[in-house]
Amino acid sequence: EAAVTQSPRSKVAVTGGKVTLSCHQTNNHDYMYWYRQDTGHGLRLIHYSYVADSTEKGDIPDGYKASRPSQENFSLILELASLSQTAVYFCASSRGEQYFGPGTRLTVL
Amino acid sequence: GQQVQQSPASLVLQEGENAELQCNFSSTATRLQWFYQRPGGSLVSLLSNPSGTKHTGRLTSTTVTKERRGSLHISSSQITDSGTYLCAMGLNYGSSGNKLIFGIGTLLSVKP
Repeated sequence: EAAVTQSPRSKVAVTGGKVTLSCHQTNNHDYMYWYRQDTGHGLRLIHYSYVADSTEKGDIPDGYKASRPSQENFSLILELASLSQTAVYFCASSRGEQYFGPGTRLTVL
Repeated sequence: GQQVQQSPASLVLQEGENAELQCNFSSTATRLQWFYQRPGGSLVSLLSNPSGTKHTGRLTSTTVTKERRGSLHISSSQITDSGTYLCAMGLNYGSSGNKLIFGIGTLLSVKP
């Protein structure tokens, strides 16, 4: 069965530290996405990619970088983690309908 | 900006009752996708359709794109249906990609 997996599933980071969230898909989809979810807000798009070695900014890209080394893998990088980046992060892939990973709960202290 | 409004914000049902969840969106969407978010946080895609009506099991999704509205009907609700239901409108990026704008969700609680 096609799937989107994320690692780690949860993480505690310190302010100013570097955090890398990883996503892997076996859907053979071209498009991949990173969203964040905060209490009281819908999911919001951070970065997306439609081909390996290329990424695009979404609606809230500030403070985040993305990397797409292959069709299957898409990473979200927080170079200098801040308190405001505490959230649940979801990765998705699509060819039309989007399929989501289980999420990563990130707490920045 | 682009917005998705869901109503009601929360809903309490007795087991066996039907539910009607509404979604209104501010832009011309290429699709409406409904998700179920489990209490633990994971997202399950329920239905996705650009327009018209689509069924799966006890779920019916109706999208009226020109009127910028959609709905999700849940028949004969079960306790295990409890959770948050998210509506998202899709805006095309290209031939196979699309950006989703999410609503905040409807919190459904089904009581025995």
